Amino acid sequence: DADVTQTPRNRITKTGKRIMLECSQTKGHDRMYWYRQDPGLGLRLIYYSFDVKDINKGEISDGYSVSRQAQAKFSLSLESAIPNQTALYFCATSDRPGQGGQWTQYFGPGTRLLVL
Amino acid sequence: QKEVEQDPGPLSVPEGAIVSLNCTYSNSAFQYFMWYRQYSRKGPELLMYTYSSGNKEDGRFTAQVDKSSKYISLFIRDSQPSDSATYLCAMTLIGFQKLVFGTGTRLLVSP
Repeated sequence: DADVTQTPRNRITKTGKRIMLECSQTKGHDRMYWYRQDPGLGLRLIYYSFDVKDINKGEISDGYSVSRQAQAKFSLSLESAIPNQTALYFCATSDRPGQGGQWTQYFGPGTRLLVL
Repeated sequence: QKEVEQDPGPLSVPEGAIVSLNCTYSNSAFQYFMWYRQYSRKGPELLMYTYSSGNKEDGRFTAQVDKSSKYISLFIRDSQPSDSATYLCAMTLIGFQKLVFGTGTRLLVSP
């Protein structure tokens, strides 16, 4: 987890507020991802980026935006937070396939977000 | 219908039991199969990785893939209280664009 850091770890905000969740990695990976995790729904992909100039929507991107400021930094913004965005948010990174060894995603420790 | 189905549990077993965790999937194009373990208030971490069909063993853990049935399993032998966690299956296509996760099964191993 230390290679992928997320800030803040916990956040309480009010409906309508704009908030940003930040992710940094020291693994040197090109690929970064944002997920949310909800009980009974598992991990769902919000956005992903394969390099600084490549941003792609995941399965649940509505209400979210992202910014890839550098290879090591990938931020998730909630433009106008709503209560059903209350969830656990994870950032993940991965190398490109074929870089040696098995391919996997490395997850950060998560940000617990509560929207009132 | 979800692409990947997994019983959420919780699954409660006594220490030393053999645990079987399972996932079914609908997309026959999935080629790479993984099991992640997630402790409370932590991010998921890779536990097992399997390509195509077959078995893979690592210590007390065995991963099985049956592509003909679209069914994958994780077996834990001699389960320990430290195995108590949520186990998520995940799979991806050739090309590794993104992972598709199951919802996770919560496992509780009592001393």
